[in-house]
Amino acid sequence: EIVLTQSPGTLSLSPGERATLSCRASQSVSSSYLGWYRQNAGQAPSLLIYGVSRRATGIPDRFSGSGSGTDFTLTINRLEPEDFAVYYCHHSDDSVGTFGQGTKLEIK
Amino acid sequence: QVQLVQSGSEVEKPGASVKISCKASGYTFTTFALAWVRQAPGQGLEWLGWINTNTGNPTYAQGFTGRLVFSLETSLTTAYLQISSLKAEDTATYYCARYFTYYYYYMDVWGKGTTVTVSS
Repeated sequence: EIVLTQSPGTLSLSPGERATLSCRASQSVSSSYLGWYRQNAGQAPSLLIYGVSRRATGIPDRFSGSGSGTDFTLTINRLEPEDFAVYYCHHSDDSVGTFGQGTKLEIK
Repeated sequence: QVQLVQSGSEVEKPGASVKISCKASGYTFTTFALAWVRQAPGQGLEWLGWINTNTGNPTYAQGFTGRLVFSLETSLTTAYLQISSLKAEDTATYYCARYFTYYYYYMDVWGKGTTVTVSS
């Protein structure tokens, strides 16, 4: 079973700054199966990135994903108020699926 | 537009069963799979599994086989999640999501969630 570990648990930044979120897998995963989701308070999650680095429809280029194997990164440039939320990395394929425990991005 | 509309909140006693619905619209229902995810109060997201809407074949996350049943009513473009032998730990918001499974795997459209409370 693949375990995804996200760091940091909480990230405190100011609007306009850059956020770097990490997701580490317990074993190598295919890039096709790694994505990132944002969940604003009281709302359902929404897709940001799929296939490690591909932005979902309507996601601005302030968001970028990178990585391979076991180490993946979500970078958010020029933080805006709606970016302060919880972020989850996710891996799934035909047979299994798992989420990281989440990184909370809060306003400093 | 593409949307998933879930059924309303449920309150059930321990040991009972609950069935949640997820109605899809705005796209061809059988073209995309449907995934189920839950979130306990104040906790992170938990993968429950998914159902192939073309074949009806379900895939359950480890630890849930036997208590969860994913099903479809294709004529109604609706998917269902049934949970039996409810426990207090099943108290959570349950989400359905459209699951893209062609080379890339991801959930691009989500329902707003159904809250299930298990309490005596």
